[in-house]
Amino acid sequence: QVQLQESGPGLVRPSETLSLTCSVSGGSISADYWSWIRQPPGKGLEWIAYISESGDTNYNPSLRNRVTLSLDTPKNQFSLKLSSVTAADTAVYYCARGSSDFSWFFDYWGQGMLVSVSS
Amino acid sequence: EIVLTQSPGTLSLSPGERATLSCRASQSVSSTYLVWYQQKPGQAPRLLIYGASNRATGIPDRFSGSGSGTDFTLTISRLEPEDFAVYYCQQYTSSPLFGQGTKLVIK
Repeated sequence: QVQLQESGPGLVRPSETLSLTCSVSGGSISADYWSWIRQPPGKGLEWIAYISESGDTNYNPSLRNRVTLSLDTPKNQFSLKLSSVTAADTAVYYCARGSSDFSWFFDYWGQGMLVSVSS
Repeated sequence: EIVLTQSPGTLSLSPGERATLSCRASQSVSSTYLVWYQQKPGQAPRLLIYGASNRATGIPDRFSGSGSGTDFTLTISRLEPEDFAVYYCQQYTSSPLFGQGTKLVIK
């Protein structure tokens, strides 16, 4: 059973960079698409980006200029950096596995981590 | 750019009733890449249906999906108390995209 766990600061100051790490257990990140999705309080889901096992990335166009993803295969972790944050970036951030087996879906999710942007 | 519109925004039903949730795409999408999730308060979304009509592992058979082109439907045949949640559709063309969700509440 694949398990994912987000970690990082829960509070980030405006204009600074949000940094989160997702640790994966029960499976290898040497396959599939490792993704970040966020959900502002009381709102819907927004896909941020994913990185493949080969390091190829795909970004939401609305966030592309501020997002950087990286993969640490030996540690079985992947990371998100979102620069120049504002209050609009306050959300629960989920990491998830994207699978392209027949369809394309997120089959394993972390529990989510609330990140607040405030001074 | 494709937009997914879910309706209704909120659906009020009683346990035992049938729920029909809609997901409409602004242009035709492949049913292979149409997916449904369920999200309960304080929890991550859970995969329900992939490929428009295939139940994910462990999903009860009261959940079914159908549709093609621009119109897709998630049906819950007889609502159980644990089914009251928010439901999202998602499609994939060049990248993943979610609908805005339908909230299923107890009447």
